[in-house]
Parts: sequence; structure tokens; C-alpha cells
Amino acid sequence: GNSVTQMEGPVTLSEEAFLTINCTYTATGYPSLFWYVQYPGEGLQLLLKATKADDKGSNKGFEATYRKETTSFHLEKGSVQVSDSAVYFCALSTMDTGRRALTFGSGTRLQVQP
Amino acid sequence: DGGITQSPKYLFRKEGQNVTLSCEQNLNHDAMYWYRQDPGQGLRLIYYSQIVNDFQKGDIAEGYSVSREKKESFPLTVTSAQKNPTAFYLCASSPRQGSNTGELFFGEGSRLTVL
Repeated sequence: GNSVTQMEGPVTLSEEAFLTINCTYTATGYPSLFWYVQYPGEGLQLLLKATKADDKGSNKGFEATYRKETTSFHLEKGSVQVSDSAVYFCALSTMDTGRRALTFGSGTRLQVQP
Repeated sequence: DGGITQSPKYLFRKEGQNVTLSCEQNLNHDAMYWYRQDPGQGLRLIYYSQIVNDFQKGDIAEGYSVSREKKESFPLTVTSAQKNPTAFYLCASSPRQGSNTGELFFGEGSRLTVL
């Protein structure tokens, strides 16, 4: 079956520090990969996505590259801000018996201090 | 503005009561989903619907029920059979299956607390 493993949080950084949140996956078939962000008390928003190997998704200064050889999709940002404090979810999507199945990781909480 | 509206945002329930969470979307999406989120855990799929008048159980459907009478609406009922209903519930939608990469659009969630 499909699964997504994320590094446990919380991750605490100072403003302007470099961010990496690790994500690895196992999947049947050829998945699409996503990072979603959840701000306190809100639903999830799509942050970025990649649909094939070596694709790089990017948005708001965040980047992640689809690495098929290492089955990874690590999230990076060069300089975090306090407003980036949120929970980040890695997810994958595959077609499974005629329906699209989305599998989420357990989430990583990021806390950015001024 | 197009989007997904969940209501109520907060809900309190006594043990033994059924409650219904509303989810409405004006994105003209075919598929709709209900997820449950518990602290420190990822999202778990409760039910999903790919088309009006059709829905399927997800991974944790026991104690829940849904209906899909209109394309725009996908209400979730948390029944008294659900043993541990206190959680954050998220509704989501996506365009027609097979014509997209799997991106979901989420509502802002409903927090249910059983007293």
C-alpha cells in the first residue's frame, strides 16, 4: 500500500534560518506528490506539487524536488519568516482501482521565532 | 468567491447524540471527501463521493454516514455509534477523477467536541 513518512516535529527555527522538512514515501504505481500547509485553526492549503520525477514544485519561496531514486520529496526554504509557522503535510496521490487515493503524512509543526 | 464552506466551525455534543456537519462547495467539483484529523496524526479518510448519489467508505467509516443528493453538498453525520468522535473534521473537493493530479481543495474545518 501507500505510505508517507515525515520527520517529527516540532521544528523550531529562528527567523531567516534555512528550513528542511524531510518526506519519504512508498507507493504502488507512479504517484503525484504534494506539500500542504495548515495554519492554526484552518483547513489545509496546497503549497506546491510535482507530478513526475525530477520535477521541482515551488511557491512562496518553498521548493521540493520529486526524487524517484530516493522516493523523497523534501521541503526546503532558504529563509523562513514568523508567518511560516504552521503544520506542513506531505502527501501523495495515485490511481487505485479506478479512484484517486490521497495519502497524507502525519504532519510537521514548524515554529519560527523572531 | 469560489470555495468550500463548512459549518459550524465549532460544535459541542452530548454523548448519545447524532450531529451533522455541513459542507458546501461552489467550485463545480465532482468529487468530495470527508477527513478526520486528530492531534499529532495525519488526515484519515472517512467517506468520499465521486458523483451525485454515489459515495464510498474510506478507511474509518464506522460510526459515520453521508449523503450526496446535490453536487454542491456533502453533509457528514457523526452518529452515537462513533466511539471517539471528538476531532477536527475537514471537507475537501476535487475536479473530475482522472483529469487532475489529485490536488484537493479544503474547507476551514469543523471542530467537534463531545462533552
